[in-house]
Amino acid sequence: GAVVSQHPSRVICKSGTSVKIECRSLDFQATTMFWYRQFPKQSLMLMATSNEGSKATYEQGVEKDKFLINHASLTLSTLTVTSAHPEDSSFYICSAKRGASYEQYFGPGTRLTVT
Amino acid sequence: AQTVTQSQPEMSVQEAETVTLSCTYDTSESDYYLFWYKQPPSRQMILVIRQEAYKQQNATENRFSVNFQKAAKSFSLKISDSQLGDAAMYFCAHAPIFNSGGSNYKLTFGKGTLLTVNP
Repeated sequence: GAVVSQHPSRVICKSGTSVKIECRSLDFQATTMFWYRQFPKQSLMLMATSNEGSKATYEQGVEKDKFLINHASLTLSTLTVTSAHPEDSSFYICSAKRGASYEQYFGPGTRLTVT
Repeated sequence: AQTVTQSQPEMSVQEAETVTLSCTYDTSESDYYLFWYKQPPSRQMILVIRQEAYKQQNATENRFSVNFQKAAKSFSLKISDSQLGDAAMYFCAHAPIFNSGGSNYKLTFGKGTLLTVNP
C-alpha cells in the first residue's frame, strides 16, 4: 500500500511564532500533494495543491503568505504556518498522489494548537 | 465547480443491520470519480469505495456497496451487516477524471454523515 506520514502529530505553539508540518510519502513518489484543514465536526477544506518543483496553488481565501507550502522533493511537502494565531488552531491533513493516478493517500493529520 | 451534498448529518444503525447514507452531487463533467471515505475517531481518512462515472455497474467492496444513479447525480452508500467498527464520519467526494483546467484531480468533499452503530 501507499503510506503517507505527517510530523508532528500534535504541536502546541505560542501566538506569533511559526510552525512547520511535514508530509512524507514513504513508499512512493508523490508528484502532487494536497493540504487540507479540518475544523471540529466539519469536512475537509482544501487549502492548496503543491506539485513537486513548482509553486503551490492556493484555494480562494487562503492566505499564501501565512500558509507557506514547499514541495521540494517527490517525497516531502511542508506547510509552515507563519505568525500563528489562536484562530489557526485546527487539524491539518495532507494527502499525496502519484503521477496521473486519481487516488489520494492521506496522512494521519496534525493537530495544531496556538496559545 | 463541483458540489457534493450529504443531507444526513447523523445516522444510527443497530449492529448487524443495514444502513444507507445519501449523497448527491453536481458537476458539469461527463467523466469523473466518486468516492466514499471513512474517518474514524483516529481522524485517519480511509477510502471505503470508489465508482468511475463511466461504469454503469455499481461498485461493491465486501459489506459496502453503492447505488450510483448518474442521471440523478446520486451516489448512496449501503453498509450491510453493520459492525461496531463501522462507526465513523463518512464523507462522499467527487474528483474529475481528467486534469482539466489544472484541477490536479482535486477532491471535493461533502459535509459528512456521522454514523453511530448501536450494539
